[in-house]
Amino acid sequence: SSEVTQDPAVSVALGQTVRITCQGDSLRSYFVSWYQQKPGQAPVLVIYGNDNRPSGIPDRFSGSSSGNTPSLTITGAQAEDEADYYCDSRDSSGCHVFGTGTKVTVL
Amino acid sequence: QVQLVQSGAEVKKPGASVKVSCKASGYIFTDYFLHWVRQAPGQGLEWMGWLNPNSGGTNYAQKFQGRVTMTRDTSISTAYLELTSLRCDDTALYYCAREAHHYDLWSGSYVATYYFDNWGQGTLVTVSS
Repeated sequence: SSEVTQDPAVSVALGQTVRITCQGDSLRSYFVSWYQQKPGQAPVLVIYGNDNRPSGIPDRFSGSSSGNTPSLTITGAQAEDEADYYCDSRDSSGCHVFGTGTKVTVL
Repeated sequence: QVQLVQSGAEVKKPGASVKVSCKASGYIFTDYFLHWVRQAPGQGLEWMGWLNPNSGGTNYAQKFQGRVTMTRDTSISTAYLELTSLRCDDTALYYCAREAHHYDLWSGSYVATYYFDNWGQGTLVTVSS
């Protein structure tokens, strides 16, 4: 299956804004979901659909899509946002594909 | 609250099989698809397939077809992942995850997004001779 790619790593100064994108010809849906994973922990959903946040996720996390490129933005990054972030999309048969992941470092 | 509790770590030899369980609580087990996702050490997330707990229907990623079986026991709200003919590169953390969905308006139509709203804690499977 085709790959969905993300920048391997990005860094952001404390309090600044960082945007993570998800790219691939095989992106199969209008919207993707985004997951945060900290070392030794299971992934946690941070954004789904058209910029929807689960309960408990800070509003500094937002999602958008321009053309066929979904993105996750952290506005005012905090030290606790340092983690790996993955996008995920699903096709009509229920098959999912995860992006390759982006390591976010907060300086 | 929703919980997915997985079985403990396993150590297997190459060529063996492993069966991992995922016990659901806090919701109606048959109302949500369950997926399995794995993560090799230092690597990203890899989707393996889904199980419909209501019908028992499954859909596996092409990479695992022929080696993977997903089943369930509705009487105890538990899903199972069995992987056969294990290789060293099957060493990974295996997660179960519940799939939910949501509808958003896009260009005048409602479009579904499917996402994993709850995850198990992961089961480490180590394959080594």
